[in-house]
Amino acid sequence: DIQMTQSPSTLSASVGDRVIITCRASQSFNTWLAWYQQKPGKAPKLLISKTSSLQSGVPSRFSGSGSGTEFTLTISNLQPDDFASYYCQQYKSYPYTFGQGTKLESK
Amino acid sequence: QVQLQESGPGLVKPSQTLSLTCTVSGGSITSGGYYWGWIRQHPGKGLEWIGYIFYSGSTFYNPSLKSRVTISQDTSKNHFSLKLSSMTAADTAVYYCARRNPREGYFDYWGQGTRVTVSS
Repeated sequence: DIQMTQSPSTLSASVGDRVIITCRASQSFNTWLAWYQQKPGKAPKLLISKTSSLQSGVPSRFSGSGSGTEFTLTISNLQPDDFASYYCQQYKSYPYTFGQGTKLESK
Repeated sequence: QVQLQESGPGLVKPSQTLSLTCTVSGGSITSGGYYWGWIRQHPGKGLEWIGYIFYSGSTFYNPSLKSRVTISQDTSKNHFSLKLSSMTAADTAVYYCARRNPREGYFDYWGQGTRVTVSS
């Protein structure tokens, strides 16, 4: 199985900040990575697929990049609605696996 | 707009089989080449892919759960189902149904989730 490790587990930031969440994979692969946002009591929401493809309706302040074993989600100009948990998911191989999550909280 | 809605018991006794159904509206589960799957989230934890079914009936399961999981579909009712046998406290989680993209393995539409507790 490909293990996905996110860092940090918790991130404190303020509105207007730029934050970066990292996802490291136990095996190298290219592109087949997605990012989700989850708010308490809600289902995850797909933000980015194929490492950097922003889903329709997702604000452009969200961006993704990476390859090999390191992938990042960057949120620029953080907005109040962005405080949530974020998960990466690899779909390079079965079983699909997710990172353990990063909770983005207000400083 | 596709919508998914889980239904099933919120409480299951140890050793019993969990049965959940996901009803899809706004689109047919047999069109578009989508996969229809289940993902769970243990309390305060991350997400775990359980498996999914293709409209043809082909199934794909997480090896860690494969011996206990069955995913099936009822095209006449436009829904698909999860059965997880031999439930234990470790299976207590929120269970989500979700749609997988035809060409890539990400999940673009999710149900709201249903909380399942295993307890006697």
